[in-house]
Amino acid sequence: GPKVLQIPSHQIIDMGQMVTLNCDPVSNHLYFYWYKQILGQQMEFLVNFYNGKVMEKSKLFKDQFSVERPDGSYFTLKIQPTALEDSAVYFCASSPGNSGNTLYFGEGSRLIVV
Amino acid sequence: AQSVTQPDARVTVSEGASLQLRCKYSYSATPYLFWYVQYPRQGLQLLLKYYSGDPVVQGVNSFEAEFSKSNSSFHLQKASVHWSDSAVYFCALSAHTGGNNKLTFGQGTVLSVIP
Repeated sequence: GPKVLQIPSHQIIDMGQMVTLNCDPVSNHLYFYWYKQILGQQMEFLVNFYNGKVMEKSKLFKDQFSVERPDGSYFTLKIQPTALEDSAVYFCASSPGNSGNTLYFGEGSRLIVV
Repeated sequence: AQSVTQPDARVTVSEGASLQLRCKYSYSATPYLFWYVQYPRQGLQLLLKYYSGDPVVQGVNSFEAEFSKSNSSFHLQKASVHWSDSAVYFCALSAHTGGNNKLTFGQGTVLSVIP
């Protein structure tokens, strides 16, 4: 089936440093999402993105977070500066764009902030 | 606002037994409903989804789910589980908001299948 690729699969970073998580969504998809999952807990919505803009973001999407997809390249989540509580697995997802369409998820980027 | 509740954090069943994982939702209209499965250190994979019509939907690996508007439920079922079904199962809801298919997830149910 359709594949969403995420790079890196895991990263350890010092608190206060910047990190960029990259997502290569399914090629013809129009909507992109980031979710955060702390170990053993539920998937929590962070943000979604369409036509170059953030459509909706949750209260978990702090000011230190930003997303972009320059010129159809990777859809990125940047955290600057990182904090200890940012340690989690971040999942990217994409969907074609019609109402009720399935979201396709990547395998996640495990971020450890030390 | 919408929400999804999976009341069972953990379920343990014997291989070959039947399974039901419960999901209740709260939403003012009829939502789109999904079940996803997450194997260790992997992303979420879609099992099945409900949009409208027949309230019983079939999914992959012989899973099925039944939508009940009166009970606001979307329980997942399987007649005979296999050890490879051990995973975390998430129920999710998407509201009817154009192309924005943001999913609201339940807390997940950890399924352990014992030999």
